[in-house]
Amino acid sequence: GAGVSQSPSNKVTEKGKDVELRCDPISGHTALYWYRQSLGQGLEFLIYFQGNSAPDKSGLPSDRFSAERTGGSVSTLTIQRTQQEDSAVYLCASRRVGYQETQYFGPGTRLLVL
Amino acid sequence: AQSVTQPDIHITVSEGASLELRCNYSYGATPYLFWYVQSPGQGLQLLLKYFSGDTLVQGIKGFEAEFKRSQSSFNLRKPSVHWSDAAEYFCAVGPSGGGADGLTFGKGTHLIIQP
Repeated sequence: GAGVSQSPSNKVTEKGKDVELRCDPISGHTALYWYRQSLGQGLEFLIYFQGNSAPDKSGLPSDRFSAERTGGSVSTLTIQRTQQEDSAVYLCASRRVGYQETQYFGPGTRLLVL
Repeated sequence: AQSVTQPDIHITVSEGASLELRCNYSYGATPYLFWYVQSPGQGLQLLLKYFSGDTLVQGIKGFEAEFKRSQSSFNLRKPSVHWSDAAEYFCAVGPSGGGADGLTFGKGTHLIIQP
């Protein structure tokens, strides 16, 4: 079946602008994760959604970052007032909740803040 | 706090030679362990995983890894590498409760294959 999809593939924006990144998880996967991959920090966990429960926002780096998940499926990561240090690859992963289930990753969105 | 160390930032191997990528983890309970591979401009692809049972796990593309609890290690191996194996390799650890906190990744090892 189809894997995790993310859009856009690449995004170039100006400092101070808001951006929205989209993630479509694998059908039937109720757990969804956002990660950030940057040169200096490697792969960092940002936020986790499980079904309709309140998300675990413990990894969000600042209050400029927010995410929502509509209908338990598609998720949007929003970065407000972007800064140059937000430049990174943003990866989404989904997981079918159960015993010993694995996270499957999308191709990522490459964000460049000028 | 959990952590993953991949001590080798870069490794260069000749095509056809054997490969071992090192991974050490720190985790307070029984961990779930993963190896992912990332080709340039691509997302992460799961190579293999360890949850429990046999400590030697087989993965895709001819890779295997061995969980050694006494050494807190989960090293990745391949008997004979191919040029297509050139990529970035990430070791990750997750909570045995199913990943609610997200995975913790190592910094990655960049594998270069010499002809």
